[in-house]
Amino acid sequence: DAGITQSPRYKITETGRQVTLMCHQTWSHSYMFWYRQDLGHGLRLIYYSAAADITDKGEVPDGYVVSRSKTENFPLTLESATRSQTSVYFCASRDGRGRGRDTEAFFGQGTRLTVV
Amino acid sequence: SQELEQSPQSLIVQEGKNLTINCTSSKTLYGLYWYKQKYGEGLIFLMMLQKGGEEKSHEKITAKLDEKKQQSSLHITASQPSHAGIYLCGADMGRGAQKLVFGQGTRLTINP
Repeated sequence: DAGITQSPRYKITETGRQVTLMCHQTWSHSYMFWYRQDLGHGLRLIYYSAAADITDKGEVPDGYVVSRSKTENFPLTLESATRSQTSVYFCASRDGRGRGRDTEAFFGQGTRLTVV
Repeated sequence: SQELEQSPQSLIVQEGKNLTINCTSSKTLYGLYWYKQKYGEGLIFLMMLQKGGEEKSHEKITAKLDEKKQQSSLHITASQPSHAGIYLCGADMGRGAQKLVFGQGTRLTINP
C-alpha cells in the first residue's frame, strides 16, 4: 500500500526492555521524522533524518536511538524503556528535494506505547 | 519550552460561532503548516504558508502569516461539529533546515 505506515499500532512493554517502533514510507521522501505526543505538549520532535545514513537530534532525543540504512525505513528504538516514555509516537515524511522547496509532512497513524 | 507557542490550549465554542487560534515564535518561520487531528487519529494537513502576509482559505478555514513571519493565525467561520479536534501549527525553524517542529496544539470543542 502506498503511504506511510507505522507498526505496531499498540504496544505494551515493561520497564527496562528494548522496544523498536517501525516506520515505512513508499514515496522515497528524503526527510523522515519521529515525534511523541503527550497531553499539553503537542508534538515534540525526537529525531529526524534528511536522507539515508543522515540523522539528527530533535527536541527530546534522550533515551531514543534511530537508524536509516534505507530511504524508506526509519525505525525508532527505546534502548531501555521507562514509564516516562509512555506516549503516542508519530512518524512523518516529507519530500524536501528541490531548491527552496518546502512541502507538507505526511503522518502515520501513530503507535500507542505503554511502559509498565 | 517549545519553539512554537499556540494559544489557547483549549477552546470551547458554540456551534455557529467564529474562533481564532494563534501560533507564535520568537524566530522567523520559513514554512508554517496547520494540521488537524481527530482524537486518537493521525494528522491531516490543512494549509501551508510561506510568504510574509500570505493568507489562504479552504471552505470555512482561513490561515494567515504575518509580515514578519513570526506569527500565524487560524480562523474558523461559523463553526460546525466537524471542526472539533486538535489543531497543531508546525514550522520549519531555519531556512532550509527542514527541522519541522510543532506547537502544543489547541483542543477545539464545538457545543451544539
